[in-house]
Amino acid sequence: ETGVTQTPRHLVMGMTNKKSLKCEQHLGHNAMYWYKQSAKKPLELMFVYSLEERVENNSVPSRFSPECPNSSHLFLHLHTLQPEDSALYLCASSQEGLDQNEKLFFGSGTQLSVL
Amino acid sequence: EDQVTQSPEALRLQEGESSSLNCSYTVSGLRGLFWYRQDPGKGPEFLFTLYSAGEEKEKERLKATLTKKESFLHITAPKPEDSATYLCAVQGNDYKLSFGAGTTVTVRA
Repeated sequence: ETGVTQTPRHLVMGMTNKKSLKCEQHLGHNAMYWYKQSAKKPLELMFVYSLEERVENNSVPSRFSPECPNSSHLFLHLHTLQPEDSALYLCASSQEGLDQNEKLFFGSGTQLSVL
Repeated sequence: EDQVTQSPEALRLQEGESSSLNCSYTVSGLRGLFWYRQDPGKGPEFLFTLYSAGEEKEKERLKATLTKKESFLHITAPKPEDSATYLCAVQGNDYKLSFGAGTTVTVRA
């Protein structure tokens, strides 16, 4: 499989649930990202990992917890979410970090609904 | 803070009817302006990077241009398969990437 793969594609969860989003990239890249996309709003950068080290955390609530065990895998652990967290969560990767002025390769996203 | 504004929000075109999308930006030192295409149910797909005013890039029916304050994405003789949301993003001297909200293009046969 090539590119950036995200699972699950769709997720419905209650406010008290705990779930995890998974992302895997098959491009040999060194940087991975989590973005949030809400309807009619710009993409919001949540977290950046470069060489498995978190280099950016954009004031994201602690109910979102990222994990990057290696350069190919990225997780977003979710717990006690709020209805306003419902959105499309996109994973992306790039050869190096954002300071290399590079294009991003995105997965197809996880459409999350919080009830 | 960098800002990116895309207009119009939505654009409906007849097949073959050329048009342009606008991306206005304010940024502290432009390092690059990016255009992405996003199909329904998919993540954005990279189209172009522009680095300096006056630069132009083309891909099939798409042409992107850049000035000091805005970028245009021209769609020439569009086909239904050009229907998508087009996203613009800028990267400034702080290396942060700021996206616009996108323009959704619908091309009718």
